[in-house]
Amino acid sequence: GNSVTQMEGPVTLSEEAFLTINCTYTATGYPSLFWYVQYPGEGLQLLLKATKADDKGSNKGFEATYRKETTSFHLEKGSVQVSDSAVYFCALREITGGGNKLTFGTGTQLKVEL
Amino acid sequence: GAGVSQSPSNKVTEKGKDVELRCDPISGHTALYWYRQSLGQGLEFLIYFQGNSAPDKSGLPSDRFSAERTGGSVSTLTIQRTQQEDSAVYLCASSLNSGRSDTQYFGPGTRLTVL
Repeated sequence: GNSVTQMEGPVTLSEEAFLTINCTYTATGYPSLFWYVQYPGEGLQLLLKATKADDKGSNKGFEATYRKETTSFHLEKGSVQVSDSAVYFCALREITGGGNKLTFGTGTQLKVEL
Repeated sequence: GAGVSQSPSNKVTEKGKDVELRCDPISGHTALYWYRQSLGQGLEFLIYFQGNSAPDKSGLPSDRFSAERTGGSVSTLTIQRTQQEDSAVYLCASSLNSGRSDTQYFGPGTRLTVL
């Protein structure tokens, strides 16, 4: 079956530090890949996505590249801010046999301090 | 336009009672999904509706769980004879279509607590 593995948190960084959150996946077909973010007290929001190999998704300074050869979709940001503190979820979506669900990783909590 | 809305935002119930959770998807979205977020299990898929097709119920954890979608819009998730392990945040999402790149937009969730 499909699965997503994320690095465990919490990840604590100082403001302006470089961020990497690792995400690898296992899929039986050719999935689309997503990063969702959940800010404190809020619902899940799409951060970025990539639908085919070598695509780069980007939004709000965050980037992730779909690497089919390493089955990875690592999230990066060059300079984090306190406002980036949230839980980040990597997810894949594969449509096989009519299925259409998102499969999520366990989430990585990011804390950014001044 | 408005996003996905869910009601109630919080629900506290006693073990053994039935509960109904409601989801209003974004207008015009043909696909609707239910997920559950709990500390022990993370984010889990429950059920998916697409237009008039038979729903994908493969994620429902037991036959106490059921869902319907009336008129291709509003959906209700029903949990019968609730158990303490049903305590979680129940999330609804919708997407315009069912393509592999279609974005699922999530509602704020209903926090269910079973005492």
